Amino acid sequence: KQEVTQIPAALSVPEGENLVLNCSFTDSAIYNLQWFRQDPGKGLTSLLLIQSSQREQTSGRLNASLDKSSGRSTLYIAASQPGDSATYLCAVRVTGANSKLTFGKGITLSVRP
Amino acid sequence: NAGVTQTPKFQVLKTGQSMTLQCAQDMNHEYMSWYRQDPGMGLRLIHYSVGAGITDQGEVPNGYNVSRSTTEDFPLRLLSAAPSQTSVYFCASRGTSGTNEQYFGPGTRLTVT
Repeated sequence: KQEVTQIPAALSVPEGENLVLNCSFTDSAIYNLQWFRQDPGKGLTSLLLIQSSQREQTSGRLNASLDKSSGRSTLYIAASQPGDSATYLCAVRVTGANSKLTFGKGITLSVRP
Repeated sequence: NAGVTQTPKFQVLKTGQSMTLQCAQDMNHEYMSWYRQDPGMGLRLIHYSVGAGITDQGEVPNGYNVSRSTTEDFPLRLLSAAPSQTSVYFCASRGTSGTNEQYFGPGTRLTVT
């Protein structure tokens, strides 16, 4: 059974810092991995999706990497801003057309002005 | 495109009442799913559907029914509400070709008293 872990559960950094959020998974036979952002009281917004054949994806100040062999993904946020404060979740989809996403519990990020 | 829409946004039920949470998507996605999100438990899959007329159970299906008569709609029915069903419910959809990126609705906050 696929398990997804995100540690730590919460993180507080000063504005301007570059930071890395970690995600680990137990089954390396994945189809893709997706990073989401969730603001308090809101739904999940997709940030980046990495296919199993890719090593990284970039969108603006965000960069997500994938290392299947070690069961790890990182979300790099450059020059963090208070508006980046949110919960970040990673989700892994195992191989298979109808397979489900398995979610980590998320990392709650607070960027201090 | 409106994406994934959910109604209502908030709902209060008394124990034993029934209700239907509505979900619709306009992206012609085959795969739709329902999750509940509870503090400390993360996102848990309730039911999912891989196309019109096809549904299956997720991790926590008890007390919930679904049907999928059209590609666009995937309602979730609570048969006899219990306080343990107090939660935030999210509907999601994705295509089964291309990137398979998953999109979420804004959620329904349900309280059962």
